Amino acid sequence: KAGVTQTPRYLIKTRGQQVTLSCSPISGHRSVSWYQQTPGQGLQFLFEYFSETQRNKGNFPGRFSGRQFSNSRSEMNVSTLELGDSALYLCASSIKRGGRETQYFGPGTRLLVL
Amino acid sequence: DAKTTQPTSMDCAEGRAANLPCNHSTISGNEYVYWYRQIHSQGPQYIIHGLKNNETNEMASLIITEDRKSSTLILPHATLRDTAVYYCIVRVPSNAGNMLTFGGGTRLMVKP
Repeated sequence: KAGVTQTPRYLIKTRGQQVTLSCSPISGHRSVSWYQQTPGQGLQFLFEYFSETQRNKGNFPGRFSGRQFSNSRSEMNVSTLELGDSALYLCASSIKRGGRETQYFGPGTRLLVL
Repeated sequence: DAKTTQPTSMDCAEGRAANLPCNHSTISGNEYVYWYRQIHSQGPQYIIHGLKNNETNEMASLIITEDRKSSTLILPHATLRDTAVYYCIVRVPSNAGNMLTFGGGTRLMVKP
């Protein structure tokens, strides 16, 4: 079974621009979560989508948004980019089986804001 | 989710067992212990999780103390490719969401 895929893998943008990142979950997984990883703050939760609805949201400004489509694929958008948005953005998908739910991560999109 | 405490870094000789400890003294009865690892610049990789009993899979073993206040991840025969940051996370699987709270983790260096 194919793993979580994320596109693009690398991206360079300038301050003030906006960016859209894409995530395709493992087939059959309905939950998709997004995380930001920076050297200073580590791995931080952004938001989670389940059945096209945002189920959880981390402590990030409104410039960070996301959505999920009916096929469970998800996108996240960052508007008005700032230098501090440079990070590795990770997507994880999960499915609940027998009361247990495990998240599987994609390779990430590395965003550099200049 | 309960807080976890892990050593910042550890070394292990190649071929030897790597024992990574995690303290979760405030864990509640329905919280599971999860372990992930992250090799440099890649996405975190799920290793194993457990509730009360010890668990083993093809990657590792998880030993949870009887009082559940601490656990140890064991990589039985560490290889150079096991060099990574290992994260111990405790959480309750919930229909309300799957947020994982990552701490600093343990940087394991496997040396030849």
